[in-house]
Amino acid sequence: DTAVSQTPKYLVTQMGNDKSIKCEQNLGHDTMYWYKQDSKKFLKIMFSYNNKELIINETVPNRFSPKSPDKAHLNLHINSLELGDSAVYFCASSPRSYEQYFGPGTRLTVT
Amino acid sequence: AQSVSQHNHHVILSEAASLELGCNYSYGGTVNLFWYVQYPGQHLQLLLKYFSGDPLVKGIKGFEAEFIKSKFSFNLRKPSVQWSDTAEYFCAVNGDYKLSFGAGTTVTVRA
Repeated sequence: DTAVSQTPKYLVTQMGNDKSIKCEQNLGHDTMYWYKQDSKKFLKIMFSYNNKELIINETVPNRFSPKSPDKAHLNLHINSLELGDSAVYFCASSPRSYEQYFGPGTRLTVT
Repeated sequence: AQSVSQHNHHVILSEAASLELGCNYSYGGTVNLFWYVQYPGQHLQLLLKYFSGDPLVKGIKGFEAEFIKSKFSFNLRKPSVQWSDTAEYFCAVNGDYKLSFGAGTTVTVRA
C-alpha cells in the first residue's frame, strides 16, 4: 500500500554509465516531481510533470531526462553519469500543486 | 522567484527542552507553507502546512507553526522535545507551482 515508491533504493555505478530510476504513485495525483538532495541535505527540484506534461524543468544538465508514460509514473534517466551526480534522488507527487508526498529516495553513488 | 531561509543550521538540545526553528520566505504572491521532517535514512514526511485561515497551525507529533505575514515568517515550535525528534527539518514554500525548500536544520536531541 506504498503511496510513492521508487526503485532501486540504492544504485552504485561507474562514471560514464547510463542509469534509470523509476517512480510510481498510487495516490491518483496529477503532478509528480523529481528532487535531488546533495550531501549537505539541500533539496532542489529538478523536474515536474502534470498529467504527463513537463511543467517545471530547472537548470539541470540535459544528461537528465524525465519520462512520464502515464500520470502514475515518472522515471528519471541519466546518461553519462558523473561523480557530481552522486546524491539521493526523491520522487514526489501532489494533488495539483499543494502538499507533496515523497518516495523513499534512491541513493545514487557514482564511482 | 521564491526563496526560503532557515536560520539555524544545527540545533542541539536535551530532552524536554523547547524547540523553535526559524523560517523566512520571500515571494510576492499567495503562498502555501510547509514544514517537512526527515528522520535519519528516511524520506520526507509532512509535519504541518498552512494554506489560509488561522495563522497558528498544529501538526503531527506535537509540532505547531505560526505564520506571521508581516514578517514573512513561518517558525516551527515544539514545547517539549523527545529523543525521537532527532531529524532534519525543512521549511518549504509553494508558489509558482513548485516547492522551494530551505537548507534544512539538523536537530539533535540528547537523552
